[in-house]
Amino acid sequence: GAGVSQSPSNKVTEKGKDVELRCDPISGHTALYWYRQRLGQGLEFLIYFQGNSAPDKSGLPSDRFSAERTGESVSTLTIQRTQQEDSAVYLCASSLLGEGLPGETQYFGPGTRLLVL
Amino acid sequence: AQSVTQLGSHVSVSEGALVLLRCNYSSSVPPYLFWYVQYPNQGLQLLLKYTSAATLVKGINGFEAEFKKSETSFHLTKPSAHMSDAAEYFCAVSAYSGGYQKVTFGIGTKLQVIP
Repeated sequence: GAGVSQSPSNKVTEKGKDVELRCDPISGHTALYWYRQRLGQGLEFLIYFQGNSAPDKSGLPSDRFSAERTGESVSTLTIQRTQQEDSAVYLCASSLLGEGLPGETQYFGPGTRLLVL
Repeated sequence: AQSVTQLGSHVSVSEGALVLLRCNYSSSVPPYLFWYVQYPNQGLQLLLKYTSAATLVKGINGFEAEFKKSETSFHLTKPSAHMSDAAEYFCAVSAYSGGYQKVTFGIGTKLQVIP
């Protein structure tokens, strides 16, 4: 595909259930980011994958959150034992990381809207 | 450490009026600065970015921003607002830290255009 895709687009779950969100980055993009956007708030960084390096997990809010990425392809964000405060839009972005250039443009997916009842 | 401050979570302008969305940043290293726009029910898309070339950056849809190091600002402007500009705008700063590209977003400014 031409852009970043995310699935599902919407997810409604019950408190205490686990959810898995998927992100397909743009082919060839080595960097992948997950963000959380709560209603009325800005983007909150969650985790960053860069090629085969260890991911930057500094933004994960609790140990209920985890993410994986296989090589430079699909990533999944898993939230275990969901809580109502996890309700948000989860955005994924990818970028073509050059040689140490921090000015890379991020390309965002449409997001997954998660509602925890 | 880096941070972004967007002044005004909501801005209203009349159609045809000047749009000014404010962004101030702090960064311990030379920053790269971005403006992203998010239309309703869509993901963010790049509007423009500053990467240490020209200080006045022109983006899509007639928007531009000027990097002012002395003021640590990167305000977004458009001479004449159009109804289609109604969206949420995010300022972001990026720098390398500890081997990772750290991108920090502001809280966003919702732009309302009044006919």
